Amino acid sequence: EPEVTQTPSHQVTQMGQEVILRCVPISNHLYFYWYRQILGQKVEFLVSFYNNEISEKSEIFDDQFSVERPDGSNFTLKIRSTKLEDSAMYFCASRTESRSDLHFGNGTRLTVT
Amino acid sequence: DAKTTQPNSMESNEEEPVHLPCNHSTISGTDYIHWYRQLPSQGPEYVIHGLTSNVNNRMASLAIAEDRKSSTLILHRATLRDAAVYYCIPDGKLIFGTGTRLQVFP
Repeated sequence: EPEVTQTPSHQVTQMGQEVILRCVPISNHLYFYWYRQILGQKVEFLVSFYNNEISEKSEIFDDQFSVERPDGSNFTLKIRSTKLEDSAMYFCASRTESRSDLHFGNGTRLTVT
Repeated sequence: DAKTTQPNSMESNEEEPVHLPCNHSTISGTDYIHWYRQLPSQGPEYVIHGLTSNVNNRMASLAIAEDRKSSTLILHRATLRDAAVYYCIPDGKLIFGTGTRLQVFP
């Protein structure tokens, strides 16, 4: 069964550094998402992406965040200048249609020191 | 965004049925009701979704109230592997709430 894959599984970075989290959605999917989950807290929506542009974003997704689909297969989340509070699990997800089931990757654990 | 109310936690014994309730009284007329679950140390996993009619799949059944203001996820025979946090999400943006933590005892 096709899967959403995320790399790396764990990323450690220093405060103020830029980090790029990578995702390969399922190949025939058209809608892409990033969520994050701070340890012990709920899953939080960050951004949705369709037709090469952001369709919705949350208040968390400020100017420090950006997303890109650079080559038709990868979907990346960039944090320009990481803060301690950005430490969390980041989940990528994709689906075929706007109302179909969402497939999640296993996440990237980001640790900002 | 539609608001949801789910019990914080529920318990079940293995091989017994589990009924996980969700109230979503502010759901819009066109939004599907999605259920996801998150096993420990994993990403969320799709369980089932529906609009008006009850739905069945290999994992679970979804019973939707006639007025669509509530729904119930039914696990017909709970297994230890079903221990997870279950999220009811009645909107297209898939905004997760706090969910119901299901414990399953052998």
